[in-house]
Amino acid sequence: QVQLVESGGGVVQPGMSLRLSCAASGFTFSSYGIHWVRQAAGKGLEWVALISFDGSKESYADSVKGRFTVSRDNSKNTVYLQINSLGVEDTAVYYCAKKPGVGYFDLWGRGTLVTVSP
Amino acid sequence: SRVLTQPPSVSVAPGKAATITCGGNNVGSKSVHWYQQKPGQAPVLVIYYDKDRPSGIPERFSGSNSGNTATLTISRVEAGDEADYFCQVWDSSTDRPVFGGGTKLTVL
Repeated sequence: QVQLVESGGGVVQPGMSLRLSCAASGFTFSSYGIHWVRQAAGKGLEWVALISFDGSKESYADSVKGRFTVSRDNSKNTVYLQINSLGVEDTAVYYCAKKPGVGYFDLWGRGTLVTVSP
Repeated sequence: SRVLTQPPSVSVAPGKAATITCGGNNVGSKSVHWYQQKPGQAPVLVIYYDKDRPSGIPERFSGSNSGNTATLTISRVEAGDEADYFCQVWDSSTDRPVFGGGTKLTVL
């Protein structure tokens, strides 16, 4: 089955860290860039980060640069998002999404909820 | 402020056509993609490259793009079409996606 499954979310205090995972199956994972997109409750979609198919390129939104790090392990078909120095503004559902080489996302995971609360 | 502007909400009666717009400066020169997101679920691609439908998306979903406005049209709307719809383009200068603010489609 072609899918992406996120995990690792939870409730944390400000300043703490989390590592989110995005596990892929059903397609040639090592051929595709993977992006992270987040959505605060009742809000729109906000792009967060990307990692290229081979891990050689990373990019981050200005709002998370220096605090978030994306990585991947193609042997495990998994992308990771390390989130440090969490703030309440990072509270959101985090989705990973597959980009088939061109300008749209053809597969999304169901998301994992990160709640930052004092 | 967002580069892509969508109406916050659109309401339509069952069986009628719904039109959701995505406005932006010369958006017609870009490829616009549309996603459907039902409550508690992940976004699903419904239109890509302005007007193409992924496999499994009903023919009732169609798209167009010209000038400063891209449009998603859902003909013969059904209760199951009730969802949030987001438009998206790719910003080649930053190599990042840009999303519209989303439109909540309500089926009356």
